[in-house]
Amino acid sequence: DTGVSQNPRHKITKRGQNVTFRCDPISEHNRLYWYRQTLGQGPEFLTYFQNEAQLEKSRLLSDRFSAERPKGSFSTLEIQRTEQGDSAMYLCASGTGSSYTGELFFGEGSRLTVL
Amino acid sequence: AQSVAQPEDQVNVAEGNPLTVKCTYSVSGNPYLFWYVQYPNRGLQFLLKYITGDNLVKGSYGFEAEFNKSQTSFHLKKPSALVSDSALYFCAVRIRAGGNNRLAFGKGNQVVVIP
Repeated sequence: DTGVSQNPRHKITKRGQNVTFRCDPISEHNRLYWYRQTLGQGPEFLTYFQNEAQLEKSRLLSDRFSAERPKGSFSTLEIQRTEQGDSAMYLCASGTGSSYTGELFFGEGSRLTVL
Repeated sequence: AQSVAQPEDQVNVAEGNPLTVKCTYSVSGNPYLFWYVQYPNRGLQFLLKYITGDNLVKGSYGFEAEFNKSQTSFHLKKPSALVSDSALYFCAVRIRAGGNNRLAFGKGNQVVVIP
């Protein structure tokens, strides 16, 4: 399968713990996005990478959230000191090109449950 | 603010009947509009897009969408719905900020096709 891969698919953690999600985009895709989706809502933009550079971050991304994309390949999203409000599906998507006319390819998501 | 709105929460349609999922947009400049579909336990999949040109765009799985500038709408349509079309459908618009591009999604519409 050469699609976007996300791990783990489901993470249950206690409030205050740190969690990290990994996204492996489609190879040769230079653009990578993280979105968050809660029940009954559409995906909300969190952050965007072009190659290894993090070019945009949403105001939703508090200082407890950090994302990296070393070497412009896979990406990680870390949430420190998790809160119950962080419970959501975290989606990763990748695409090609520098301008936005093409489609994004989404992974199946990583579901976070904070107890 | 640039956004899309999907006014209905759920669309119920009998198998074989026409299916319409509504979307209106609010953007400055020329809109880049997209439809994505999310099947249960699957990642979002691209259906179609409008960038420029013909107002009627055709996409995957027999879906099409009509761009209407005067009504600021981009409704998704299928002439004859299948039970397998039951899924969550998201309208999205390209947001351009600071030279970067990303998608802003609507809240989604649950489509239920009744056998």
